[in-house]
Amino acid sequence: KQEVTQIPAALSVPEGENLVLNCSFTDSAIYNLQWFRQDPGKGLTSLLLIQSSQREQTSGRLNASLDKSSGRSTLYIAASQPGDSATYLCAVRNSGYSTLTFGKGTMLLVSP
Amino acid sequence: GAVVSQHPSRVICKSGTSVKIECRSLDFQATTMFWYRQFPKQSLMLMATSNEGSKATYEQGVEKDKFLINHASLTLSTLTVTSAHPEDSSFYICSPLGGVADNEQFFGPGTRLTVL
Repeated sequence: KQEVTQIPAALSVPEGENLVLNCSFTDSAIYNLQWFRQDPGKGLTSLLLIQSSQREQTSGRLNASLDKSSGRSTLYIAASQPGDSATYLCAVRNSGYSTLTFGKGTMLLVSP
Repeated sequence: GAVVSQHPSRVICKSGTSVKIECRSLDFQATTMFWYRQFPKQSLMLMATSNEGSKATYEQGVEKDKFLINHASLTLSTLTVTSAHPEDSSFYICSPLGGVADNEQFFGPGTRLTVL
């Protein structure tokens, strides 16, 4: 059974810092991996999708990497801003039409 | 990304009543619908998976007679919480899948259910 772990559980940084969120998964035979953002009381916003054959994806200040063989992904946020404050969730899919398995998330607080 | 709507966004009901939550995929056809719930400070937990026109498959520990799922069309699925109790208070989120390149999964905005 796939298990996804995210470290750290919470992170508080001053504005402007570059930061890394970590995600690990136990079954490396994944189909793809997605990073999401969730604001309090809201649904999930998809940030980045990495297919199993890819090593990284970039969108603006966000960069996600994937090392499938070691079961790890990282989300890099450059020049953090207070608006980045949210919970970041990592999720993996093991086959094309299976559901996602989620980590518990990293709660990020960026202070001005 | 795909546009997914949920209605209502928030509902408060008395214990023993039933609540229906609608999920619509507005710009693509959802052959599969996932329903999740999320308790405070917890991650999303899959409740059930439904395919259009078929009965839903429920995860272990989720009562199918309590959480009725209907996926009658490719753009609409409903979750009905029957005889709701305070322990059913949670954040319910739908996620349609199908017809989107690379199987990127999108989620509805969620429904906050509070049972008094």
